[in-house]
Amino acid sequence: GEDVEQSLFLSVREGDSSVINCTYTDSSSTYLYWYKQEPGAGLQLLTYIFSNMDMKQDQRLTVLLNKKDKHLSLRIADTQTGDSAIYFCAERRGGATNKLIFGTGTLLAVQP
Amino acid sequence: DTGVSQNPRHKITKRGQNVTFRCDPISEHNRLYWYRQTLGQGPEFLTYFQNEAQLEKSRLLSDRFSAERPKGSFSTLEIQRTEQGDSAMYLCASSSPLGTGFGDSNQPQHFGDGTRLSIL
Repeated sequence: GEDVEQSLFLSVREGDSSVINCTYTDSSSTYLYWYKQEPGAGLQLLTYIFSNMDMKQDQRLTVLLNKKDKHLSLRIADTQTGDSAIYFCAERRGGATNKLIFGTGTLLAVQP
Repeated sequence: DTGVSQNPRHKITKRGQNVTFRCDPISEHNRLYWYRQTLGQGPEFLTYFQNEAQLEKSRLLSDRFSAERPKGSFSTLEIQRTEQGDSAMYLCASSSPLGTGFGDSNQPQHFGDGTRLSIL
């Protein structure tokens, strides 16, 4: 199937770490992405990982990929109130397609 | 470098009317994508252009929908005889023909702020 699954909601306190999880279905996926969406806005590309990698770190963001389990996670260190948003994971499959398959999004609420 | 620009930001129209949206990609991005996002869902792919050629279309793109990119720069998405179910955010994205320097061909898609369509 085409389902990319994410938990719907995550609440953390300011300063804590947040971990947002995602599972995907297609083992041929080449790249996996994390996007952030604030209310009324489009999607902001946060980071991405190539399928032959298992970890990527970019400042406060750490992406972990378990290709065997088709599991992707995004860890945000020292979460701030400005990180409150909906986070989408997306997969780009192999072959000629360029489309992204998105999950349903995880709403991250950061409590001060 | 300006981002992806979409106009209008909001469109309210009566059922049965035609609407047209415009997307201006990041300059020199040769790939352009349209997605649709309904409330509480992730974006769903509609169609994709490389330069002026429309290379991929989703089955979501019914015959009431048409997308064009006549000169390989901006694109328009037209919906004819709008229906209540067309109410959604329509997102445009673009990507560069260049790789990211890792010897791969990844071209991350960069999104605009979308056009929110409401059908009365």
